[in-house]
Amino acid sequence: GIQVEQSPPDLILQEGANSTLRCNFSDSVNNLQWFHQNPWGQLINLFYIPSGTKQNGRLSATTVATERYSLLYISSSQTTDSGVYFCAVPPPSNYQLIWGAGTKLIIKP
Amino acid sequence: KAGVTQTPRYLIKTRGQQVTLSCSPISGHRSVSWYQQTPGQGLQFLFEYFSETQRNKGNFPGRFSGRQFSNSRSEMNVSTLELGDSALYLCASSLRETSEQFFGPGTRLTVL
Repeated sequence: GIQVEQSPPDLILQEGANSTLRCNFSDSVNNLQWFHQNPWGQLINLFYIPSGTKQNGRLSATTVATERYSLLYISSSQTTDSGVYFCAVPPPSNYQLIWGAGTKLIIKP
Repeated sequence: KAGVTQTPRYLIKTRGQQVTLSCSPISGHRSVSWYQQTPGQGLQFLFEYFSETQRNKGNFPGRFSGRQFSNSRSEMNVSTLELGDSALYLCASSLRETSEQFFGPGTRLTVL
């Protein structure tokens, strides 16, 4: 089945820094989602991005479907950006999401 | 528009008991999926329902079951609880099977 790998697994930054999180997937996908899981466990939708580039405030994402990867950019990090970032993809003809292991981001004040 | 709601938010049970978790999807969403999240295994797919039909099931024992009602609300049931069932159970809804999924706040189950 499809494999999803995220890197780096952990990232510690100072407030104000920029970061790039990567998601690689092993097979063609019809869509890809990025989520932020806060300390209380809530998964917050960041991007639904099968291909191309999207921006939302300080966050942006790019998916290159032909090369099977997606990047999440966080600029001018704030302490509230801390948490775990997941990417997830649906396998073909299958009603579920396959998840990466996540990147744990800690932003220090 | 209200988001996905899950009840209860927290549960403490003992081994051997059974538990029922509830999920109400976003209004108009007909697909509901359930996931289990544990520190060791990450996020694992349990099952997905659309129009009261289970269309896909993950690799979990038969103790895990679910159903969906005509109003798209869904329940999952775990019988004969084991310590390893302690986890955060997340429900997601989407308009269609291939569209963006939105998650509820989860139910944190602790089995003692």
